[in-house]
Amino acid sequence: NFMLTQPHSVSESPGKTVTISCTRSSGSIASNYVQWYQQRPGSAPTTVIYEDNQRPSGVPDRFSGSIDSSSNSASLTISGLSSEDEADYYCQSYDGSNWVFGGGTKLTVL
Amino acid sequence: EVQLVQSGAEVKKPGESLKISCKGSGYSFSSYWIAWVRQMPGKGLEWMGIIYSGDSDTRYSPSFQGQVTISADKSISTAYLQWSSLKASDTAMYYCARTLSSGWFDFWGQGTLVTVSS
Repeated sequence: NFMLTQPHSVSESPGKTVTISCTRSSGSIASNYVQWYQQRPGSAPTTVIYEDNQRPSGVPDRFSGSIDSSSNSASLTISGLSSEDEADYYCQSYDGSNWVFGGGTKLTVL
Repeated sequence: EVQLVQSGAEVKKPGESLKISCKGSGYSFSSYWIAWVRQMPGKGLEWMGIIYSGDSDTRYSPSFQGQVTISADKSISTAYLQWSSLKASDTAMYYCARTLSSGWFDFWGQGTLVTVSS
């Protein structure tokens, strides 16, 4: 089984852009889709990116996802930060038999 | 509208049994997988296992195999997560989530808080 490693926390100012990384420990990041979930305090997770770079309806285009085979990682980029983006973000992937979550990144909008 | 509605919070003692539920509506329940995800207090998300209620095909994370049982009753569009003997370390929020074939969780239940304390 592989692991997904995220930074524990990131912070940025309102209006700026932040990128959260998710590095796969073994196997190619490109071999299985990566998803990103947002979890606000006291709430269930919701999807902000699926299948590497797709946004569910209702998610603003300030959220974007990408993968980088050279670093074997996925990234979630949030532009035009606002206080409502302050939350925990989790990456997730599936290798055909196991579903794996990253450890989560706490985003603070200063 | 797709909805997953979970049963209410539970407070149990160590050694007791428990079965929590997740009822789907607004879609063909037996055509989708339902996963269970644990979140311990202040911690991250952990995939526990998954069931396809159409044929009861069930898979478990190695970390949870033998610790819990996942089942479903497609006639009432409900999935279950059960424990035969709870431990204090089972204290957590448990989420169910509809799972698509490409491996992502598109709809989540509201969560069931399980507290195990003597």
